[in-house]
Amino acid sequence: GQSLEQPSEVTAVEGAIVQINCTYQTSGFYGLSWYQQHDGGAPTFLSYNALDGLEETGRFSSFLSRSDSYGYLLLQELQMKDSASYFCAVETSGSARQLTFGSGTQLTVLP
Amino acid sequence: DAGITQSPRYKITETGRQVTLMCHQTWSHSYMFWYRQDLGHGLRLIYYSAAADITDKGEVPDGYVVSRSKTENFPLTLESATRSQTSVYFCASSESALRSEETQYFGPGTRLLVL
Repeated sequence: GQSLEQPSEVTAVEGAIVQINCTYQTSGFYGLSWYQQHDGGAPTFLSYNALDGLEETGRFSSFLSRSDSYGYLLLQELQMKDSASYFCAVETSGSARQLTFGSGTQLTVLP
Repeated sequence: DAGITQSPRYKITETGRQVTLMCHQTWSHSYMFWYRQDLGHGLRLIYYSAAADITDKGEVPDGYVVSRSKTENFPLTLESATRSQTSVYFCASSESALRSEETQYFGPGTRLLVL
């Protein structure tokens, strides 16, 4: 099976930079995704890494190290609207696009 | 409306009753998924479908049944609801093209309470 670990809560102030880490244990790793979910809302896709390195999408970046089974989501220039839960999710090869999600990190952005 | 929709958005039922949650997508995506999300937790895959008439179990399939007679619809049935099935249910879909896309589009969710 697969398991993922990420911090349950992170707090930061508006304008700051925050990093949300995710470590995983899985066989046949294929890629790591990040999703954002506001309270009561649907998860929305943020980023995806299949190869080692940094992927940048505007204020959000995601990093993957396959050798360390580790990734992170970096949020820059934090805004109040970034307060949400952030989930990492792994896809394993041969799993027909199944995603296994972590338990989520609740990010609170303070003014 | 275009996109992925779920109905009902809220449902209260009693233990032992059969409940069907509907999911409809207008993108003609090949893949569709059902997840459940319990309070304070991540999403767990119940069932998924790679195409019409092709379904397979996910992590927590017990007590659920799915069908996919048409590409755009993927209903989830709780044959005999139990209190442990109280949860928020999300349907999702994704394209069958490049793996590098890896984007699943989620519906708004159905909040189910089993009394």
